[in-house]
Order: sequence, then C-alpha cells, then structure tokens
Amino acid sequence: DQQVKQNSPSLSVQEGRISILNCDYTNSMFDYFLWYKKYPAEGPTFLISISSIKDKNEDGRFTVFLNKSAKHLSLHIVPSQPGDSAVYFCAASGTDKLIFGTGTRLQVFP
Amino acid sequence: KAGVTQTPRYLIKTRGQQVTLSCSPISGHRSVSWYQQTPGQGLQFLFEYFSETQRNKGNFPGRFSGRQFSNSRSEMNVSTLELGDSALYLCASSWAATGGISAEAFFGQGTRLTVV
Repeated sequence: DQQVKQNSPSLSVQEGRISILNCDYTNSMFDYFLWYKKYPAEGPTFLISISSIKDKNEDGRFTVFLNKSAKHLSLHIVPSQPGDSAVYFCAASGTDKLIFGTGTRLQVFP
Repeated sequence: KAGVTQTPRYLIKTRGQQVTLSCSPISGHRSVSWYQQTPGQGLQFLFEYFSETQRNKGNFPGRFSGRQFSNSRSEMNVSTLELGDSALYLCASSWAATGGISAEAFFGQGTRLTVV
C-alpha cells in the first residue's frame, strides 16, 4: 500500500523553464511534507518542506504547494537549471516516521 | 559539524550470509531511521530508533533487524541474505522524532549491498 505516490517516474524540462513535480498521498493524518533531492551515489538531501497548516512555501527558486482537500502537493522549480537534474522524492510525516514516494527523475536540458 | 556517516560504502555478500551495516548520526541527533532504496520502489522505511528503542518498524521480514547504542550510533543487520536484498541502504538522523516541525532528516551516503 503506497501511501505516498509520485506517478511520474521521469520529467524532462528545458533550462530556464518551470519544472513541476507532483506527489499524491492517501493518509489524511499526514501533517508535514518534505521534498528531497538525490544525486547518484549520494544520500538524499533536504530541499523544502511545508506544514499542513499552510498551502504554500517558497525558498528561492523552489516553491511547494499543498492542496489538502485533493491530498496533493507539488514542487515548482523556476527557473530550472541543469544542476537541478536529479531524482526528487516527496515525503510525508504523520506521527514519527517519514514515508517516501518512489521518486521522479528530473532532467534539465540546455 | 560532521554529517551522517555510513560504513561500509560498498559490500558484496553471498546468498545465505548475514551482514551488518553501521550508521553514525549527526552529533546531538537521537533519532536514526533506516531505508532501503531499490529501483522503482523509492525509499522503503525499515525501522526507526530513538534513544536506543525501536519506535517504528516497516513491513520487512524479521531477517532485518537493528539496534541503537547509547551514543546514538545504529547498526542494521540482515540475516540469511537473499538476492532481492541487493539495494542501497540509507540511514537518516534527526534531532527529534520525525513528524511535525523540524522533522528534516539528514541522510548518509548509503551502503550499496550486492548479494550474489
């Protein structure tokens, strides 16, 4: 039972354009959501998070949107850069563990 | 501040053997979680330790076990290895329970286990 789903395994975006990565969850008890970025041969690194009391959080080029009624969150990267090419994982937390999605591989091309 | 350290980085074992992986969390972090990453499966939660106690466990067979020491270092053990156990095993530490504010977990580089 995959409680956190990233239905797009890959995404390809041109440099300078917007990248939108999506994530859906099923458990309404989740109250904190995070995005992690992972390069090959490295552990995931924390990118941005959002509490369930908010619907938007920005940090530079990265913005996360949360739609609780739809149980959906998205990560927007504007403008996309080649260095953003990585696998992005969304994660959700309800009590005391993080549940991760399967990841979306983002490729930003020149 | 040193990051999360996992040893060894790479490991090759034979089916049926057992293996122990080690994780040293960031100083001051008391929560250590373990994840298995395989292609197409994302990060699957194995278990979480907090102050030497296992607080949460994922849906893995009993061959997977762990422990945490008083200095918060953690070990994960897999007995009777199967080919399907080949994966990247990641350890993450945080200063408090995951969930809620400041729940960011910091990951190590992982241990790549290959079972042949």
